[in-house]
Amino acid sequence: DAGVIQSPRHEVTEMGQEVTLRCKPISGHDYLFWYRQTMMRGLELLIYFNNNVPIDDSGMPEDRFSAKMPNASFSTLKIQPSEPRDSAVYFCASSLIGNTEAFFGQGTRLTVV
Amino acid sequence: AQSVTQPDIHITVSEGASLELRCNYSYGATPYLFWYVQSPGQGLQLLLKYFSGDTLVQGIKGFEAEFKRSQSSFNLRKPSVHWSDAAEYFCAVGAGIKLVFGAGTILRVKS
Repeated sequence: DAGVIQSPRHEVTEMGQEVTLRCKPISGHDYLFWYRQTMMRGLELLIYFNNNVPIDDSGMPEDRFSAKMPNASFSTLKIQPSEPRDSAVYFCASSLIGNTEAFFGQGTRLTVV
Repeated sequence: AQSVTQPDIHITVSEGASLELRCNYSYGATPYLFWYVQSPGQGLQLLLKYFSGDTLVQGIKGFEAEFKRSQSSFNLRKPSVHWSDAAEYFCAVGAGIKLVFGAGTILRVKS
């Protein structure tokens, strides 16, 4: 398996624009996680899914953020409208069972100008 | 609430020297503990994990960690550091389904 695949690797966008980050988890994994990494706050869990169903979105910072998982092999994290403070590295991770090894993608570095 | 403390933001060691990265956790139940490594521009890679049993766990790249319940610690060690070990290291505790990460320790290796 190629591991968790995220796209794009880098995204630069203007404030107010919509941004969509994409993730393909490892085939067969039941859980998918979206994390955000910033210098100030470190790694924060935004939301996670179990069998494509959102379980806990308490980490999503604002209503501008939304995430979907339409099928077992694809998830999106959308920010609309984007703001400069959303600039961060966004990681997707997947695992077979929660609370065990999570495999991380290489991340999407988002810059909002 | 669950939390992880990595007291050292930066550590510099000489190549060939031994390494210990500190990690303290707060968790009410028996913890699942992890160490991840992140190289610049890369995602996080699992080094090792502790679920139960032997409190000394071996991981990849010659790393090991020891779980000490009495000290709420899970320190990462390596007997001889290589220049390629320069990276950021994250300790994490499994809190239910979620992973709670420490702030990370940046390791610099000097030749």
